[in-house]
Amino acid sequence: NAGVMQNPRHLVRRRGQEARLRCSPMKGHSHVYWYRQLPEEGLKFMVYLQKENIIDESGMPKERFSAEFPKEGPSILRIQQVVRGDSAAYFCASSPLGVGGYEQYFGPGTRLTVT
Amino acid sequence: SQQGEEDPQALSIQEGENATMNCSYKTSINNLQWYRQNSGRGLVHLILIRSNEREKHSGRLRVTLDTSKKSSSLLITASRAADTASYFCATDSVGSSNTGKLIFGQGTTLQVKP
Repeated sequence: NAGVMQNPRHLVRRRGQEARLRCSPMKGHSHVYWYRQLPEEGLKFMVYLQKENIIDESGMPKERFSAEFPKEGPSILRIQQVVRGDSAAYFCASSPLGVGGYEQYFGPGTRLTVT
Repeated sequence: SQQGEEDPQALSIQEGENATMNCSYKTSINNLQWYRQNSGRGLVHLILIRSNEREKHSGRLRVTLDTSKKSSSLLITASRAADTASYFCATDSVGSSNTGKLIFGQGTTLQVKP
């Protein structure tokens, strides 16, 4: 029973390029959360998605960031025109239900470095 | 705004000793969860405690929750070098659209010396 998969594990982008981060939830989970962790800090919620729907994007920066979770395939977090401040670890988590009281299972993260 | 705040920020103990970490939060919660993160790795879920529970145990872990003080503690007994990691509390707040999104604290870095 594979856990949450994220790829790539490490991603290096130059300023102005696009970054695409992928997350495959655990089997049977249709709820995905994305979090960002800046160096030496805790995780910050970005967006919560169900299949084909964005439910809560209150933590997403207003520009350059977008997320999707298509009917088929992994969830994608997309960052356009990356800047140095986007350098961080991005984690996704999946849950069997998108309500409180359920454990979220985290992937290993994608470490984005913007040069 | 920061919801959870862990105390202490860093803790160094000898193997075999107990480690206690505290977490305070600001708003009413549905539940509180503790996670462990080894350096450069993902998060591992440790314990979930609901707002109507006061104490939970799992192996060498004991978590308490005091909703009147808006605080929780994580106790690791008989610590081992392998417990060296960062520990985070995360809350699922009442009124957060009930989506289950978690608000994390800054974490406590625990070092267990062999």
